Amino acid sequence: EADIYQTPRYLVIGTGKKITLECSQTMGHDKMYWYQQDPGMELHLIHYSYGVNSTEKGDLSSESTVSRIRTEHFPLTLESARPSHTSQYLCASSEYGVTPDTDTQYFGPGTRLTVL
Amino acid sequence: AQSVAQPEDQVNVAEGNPLTVKCTYSVSGNPYLFWYVQYPNRGLQFLLKYITGDNLVKGSYGFEAEFNKSQTSFHLKKPSALVSDSALYFCAVRDAGGADGLTFGKGTHLIIQP
Repeated sequence: EADIYQTPRYLVIGTGKKITLECSQTMGHDKMYWYQQDPGMELHLIHYSYGVNSTEKGDLSSESTVSRIRTEHFPLTLESARPSHTSQYLCASSEYGVTPDTDTQYFGPGTRLTVL
Repeated sequence: AQSVAQPEDQVNVAEGNPLTVKCTYSVSGNPYLFWYVQYPNRGLQFLLKYITGDNLVKGSYGFEAEFNKSQTSFHLKKPSALVSDSALYFCAVRDAGGADGLTFGKGTHLIIQP
C-alpha cells in the first residue's frame, strides 16, 4: 500500500544530541517537504525538495538540514538539539507533474520531538 | 506573499446540524486552495482542493467547499455534522505561479456536540 512513513513517532532527548528524523514514501512522488508545527498551531514549511540531490529552504528559518539521496527518502537532521527545537515535525510528498492536479501534498503521521 | 486567515479558533455545532468553517486567503496570482483535517497526535489528512473549474468542490467524508473569488474565501461546509467530525481543520493556499510550499492558516477546532 502506497504511503508515507515517519520514524520515530515520539523522541525525547537531551540538549546537544545529534538527531535524524526519518521520512520515507512509497508513492513514487518526486517532491517532498518538511513542516514544523507547534501543538495545535499552524504548520510552517522549513525544507523541500524537487527530487534527488535537490534541497531548498522553506519560509521558516530552521537550524536543521536535509538530504535527498534517494527519491523515497528525505531525512531531517539536527546536529545539536536544543529545547527551542521542541515541536512536531511533519513530512509530506506530492507528484511533480505538469498539471496542477498533481499538486496535492500527502502527510506522514509526524514526529513529536522533545528536547530537554 | 501569500496568507490564509481562519477567523475562528473554535466552532461548536450540534450533531446533525450543518457546519461551516471559514477561510479567507491572499495570493498575488491564482490560488490553489486546500482543506486538511488533523486528529490528535496524527498527521494531516487531505479533504479537498480547488485548482480550477467549478466553484463548489466536493471532498472526503461528505465535506464540500465553495471558492468565492470576489470575497477571496474558501469556506468548508457539511450539511449534517457527525460527532466524529470533531478535529482540527486547516485551510492552506499556494500561488499557482509561485513556490511549491503551502501556507497554512492557524487552524479551527471543530467540536460537534451530541
